[in-house]
Amino acid sequence: AQSVSQHNHHVILSEAASLELGCNYSYGGTVNLFWYVQYPGQHLQLLLKYFSGDPLVKGIKGFEAEFIKSKFSFNLRKPSVQWSDTAEYFCAAGGYQKVTFGTGTKLQVIP
Amino acid sequence: AAGVIQSPRHLIKEKRETATLKCYPIPRHDTVYWYQQGPGQDPQFLISFYEKMQSDKGSIPDRFSAQQFSDYHSELNMSSLELGDSALYFCASRGWRGDSYEQYFGPGTRLTVT
Repeated sequence: AQSVSQHNHHVILSEAASLELGCNYSYGGTVNLFWYVQYPGQHLQLLLKYFSGDPLVKGIKGFEAEFIKSKFSFNLRKPSVQWSDTAEYFCAAGGYQKVTFGTGTKLQVIP
Repeated sequence: AAGVIQSPRHLIKEKRETATLKCYPIPRHDTVYWYQQGPGQDPQFLISFYEKMQSDKGSIPDRFSAQQFSDYHSELNMSSLELGDSALYFCASRGWRGDSYEQYFGPGTRLTVT
């Protein structure tokens, strides 16, 4: 069965701290991987995605993620967070037939 | 635990027909989001409802309409279907749990227009 696990449900960081959010997936076949962000009161927005090629993917707003196939992981990173990064982050995995989302990680950045 | 239910899971329609997709949120969740994911594309936000009122609107075609009912389930109505409407449509259910909120995604409805 397809599944996506996000290990941290709630993360609190101070501004300028580094961020790493974990994501592990279980998916048969070729998988596409995504990270989405949802700011308070808004809908999902795509941060970055991996389809193929360079396993280190750079997205918007200084975010990046690394696909490690041997670990079935796609962790999201940012070297220095800002207060405006306070949001919920969703990892997703899927292909043409189905997309499975993780349960989300709430990030709170303290000024 | 109860999850987000979407029905039907698969739907095949012909061009110019209509389709209705349903989303049943998790009990006591008050917000529903609809997304469309075309083949090889990213999920695109369509529309959302909070407490039975439309709260946000994305790239939803005029041929589509949606509403949230008194029992909080939501329906996405699609008319004059086009081949390009073939996609995976999924909804997300959101609500408060304690002093925080939670959000879960449904399994999606695969719509194929022929």
